[in-house]
Amino acid sequence: DAGVIQSPRHEVTEMGQEVTLRCKPISGHDYLFWYRQTMMRGLELLIYFNNNVPIDDSGMPEDRFSAKMPNASFSNLKIQPSEPRDSAVYFCASSLSNLQETQYFGPGTRLLVL
Amino acid sequence: EDQVTQSPEALRLQEGESSSLNCSYTVSGLRGLFWYRQDPGKGPEFLFTLYSAGEEKEKERLKATLTKKESFLHITAPKPEDSATYLCAVQALTGANNLFFGTGTRLTVIP
Repeated sequence: DAGVIQSPRHEVTEMGQEVTLRCKPISGHDYLFWYRQTMMRGLELLIYFNNNVPIDDSGMPEDRFSAKMPNASFSNLKIQPSEPRDSAVYFCASSLSNLQETQYFGPGTRLLVL
Repeated sequence: EDQVTQSPEALRLQEGESSSLNCSYTVSGLRGLFWYRQDPGKGPEFLFTLYSAGEEKEKERLKATLTKKESFLHITAPKPEDSATYLCAVQALTGANNLFFGTGTRLTVIP
């Protein structure tokens, strides 16, 4: 298996632009998680899905952030409009269960908003 | 307030020089404490879960221990390939958004 696939790996954009981050989970995994990592705050869980349905989005920082999972093999995280403070590494993870210890992380997308 | 603090922020060791990383936490009811390894440019890789005070887990040169207030990751006779950032996280028993990560300890093992 190729593992969790994320694209793009790097994204540089200007403030105010829309940003779309993409994730392909491991085949057969029913859970998908989006995280954000910064030097100051560490890793934070933003939202997670089970069977394509959002279960807990309480970590999404504000209305500028949205995430969807239209099918079992794809999810996207959108930021509109983007701001410099959104600069971070965004990770997607997938799992067979909602247990933290069973998650496999993707390589991340490094986002820089100028 | 639930939170996790890791120390030191960075640690340089000579190959073979054993040491410990610390993870202090406060949480309203602990479901589990997790240790991860993260290599540059990659996502975290799960290492251990600890559920209750007194529990210990081992894997090769790594041993994780847990008390009611902190966890230690002991590294015995480290090798250069152990160089990475080690993350600690705690998950509370209840509540939404109940997962809290520390900012990590960046370990460098010098040959």
